[in-house]
Amino acid sequence: ETGVTQTPRHLVMGMTNKKSLKCEQHLGHNAMYWYKQSAKKPLELMFVYSLEERVENNSVPSRFSPECPNSSHLFLHLHTLQPEDSALYLCASSQGGGSVYEQYFGPGTRLTVT
Amino acid sequence: AQSVTQLGSHVSVSEGALVLLRCNYSSSVPPYLFWYVQYPNQGLQLLLKYTSAATLVKGINGFEAEFKKSETSFHLTKPSAHMSDAAEYFCALSRFGNEKLTFGTGTRLTIIP
Repeated sequence: ETGVTQTPRHLVMGMTNKKSLKCEQHLGHNAMYWYKQSAKKPLELMFVYSLEERVENNSVPSRFSPECPNSSHLFLHLHTLQPEDSALYLCASSQGGGSVYEQYFGPGTRLTVT
Repeated sequence: AQSVTQLGSHVSVSEGALVLLRCNYSSSVPPYLFWYVQYPNQGLQLLLKYTSAATLVKGINGFEAEFKKSETSFHLTKPSAHMSDAAEYFCALSRFGNEKLTFGTGTRLTIIP
């Protein structure tokens, strides 16, 4: 596989469920990101990991919990979500250490909370 | 603070016509600018980027963009639209050595046969 992959591509979960989204990058990058894309809203940056340390957390509710066990993998653990959390969740990666962090995106996970 | 404004949430052009998608930015430091494209049910794909070298940047699929500091603009153009260009386009901005991208709200491009 090449690029950035995300699983599952679609997820339907109830408000009391616990699930996880997975992202894997095959580009040798050292920074990874979670974004939320909702209809008619700009992409919202949720979390940034650089060299496996979280460097950004944009006031995301605690029902979203990220995990970055190594530079190739990123997870987003979900629990007791709300219907307004339904959205496309995008993962991205980039190579840091330079002046420009060019981000490469995965195909996203379409999450529906019922 | 920095921001990106995309004028027109929806743009329709005829097949073969000029495509012009507008992006204006605000940044207190010299910006790096990007255009991404998103096809239905897919993630974002980088079209082109400006990183303070040439002001006219050529990207994939025949697209190009020109950085105009005096106008704080980075508009995306393509001389002749193709049906396969129908997608949503996002302009984004970052700063030197910073991981964060600030995105515009996107422009949905429709191609009329």
